[in-house]
Amino acid sequence: AQSVSQHNHHVILSEAASLELGCNYSYGGTVNLFWYVQYPGQHLQLLLKYFSGDPLVKGIKGFEAEFIKSKFSFNLRKPSVQWSDTAEYFCAVNLDRGSTLGRLYFGRGTQLTVWP
Amino acid sequence: GAGVSQSPSNKVTEKGKDVELRCDPISGHTALYWYRQSLGQGLEFLIYFQGNSAPDKSGLPSDRFSAERTGGSVSTLTIQRTQQEDSAVYLCASSKDGSEQYFGPGTRLTVT
Repeated sequence: AQSVSQHNHHVILSEAASLELGCNYSYGGTVNLFWYVQYPGQHLQLLLKYFSGDPLVKGIKGFEAEFIKSKFSFNLRKPSVQWSDTAEYFCAVNLDRGSTLGRLYFGRGTQLTVWP
Repeated sequence: GAGVSQSPSNKVTEKGKDVELRCDPISGHTALYWYRQSLGQGLEFLIYFQGNSAPDKSGLPSDRFSAERTGGSVSTLTIQRTQQEDSAVYLCASSKDGSEQYFGPGTRLTVT
């Protein structure tokens, strides 16, 4: 069965520290990859996505992620975090079957807490 | 433009009662998804509608759960004979072309 693993359950950083959140998936076919963010009290929002092309994708708010196919990974990075980045981050995958993309498989989420 | 809306935002019900949760997708989005988010299980897929195709019901946890989508727009998720383990936030998402999914604010269901 397809699965998505997020290695860190809770990450605590000080402002200006660099961030990297790990995400690995288990599926050998073509996948589309996403990072969603859920700020306190808000709904899930798309941070960035990868479908094809340049494996380094840039998203909103200075976030980026790198798709490494050989490692089945899609890690999220930010060079310098801010207090406002405190949120829960979810990695997600859907399986590309051409015209039908279907459901998302989510990781368990990583709670990021940034101290001012 | 308007995003995905869900109602009610909160629902408290007694064990054994039936509940209906509603989702209004973004206008023009042909794909609609239901997920639920709970502390122990993370984000779980429930059901997926794509246009006029038969829905993918593979995520529904039991036959107490059902969903319909009328006129290719609004969807209702029904939980019959609710149990305490059904307590969760039920999320709806819609997508124009099956790529990016836009999520609603969710319905928080509490079964007492």
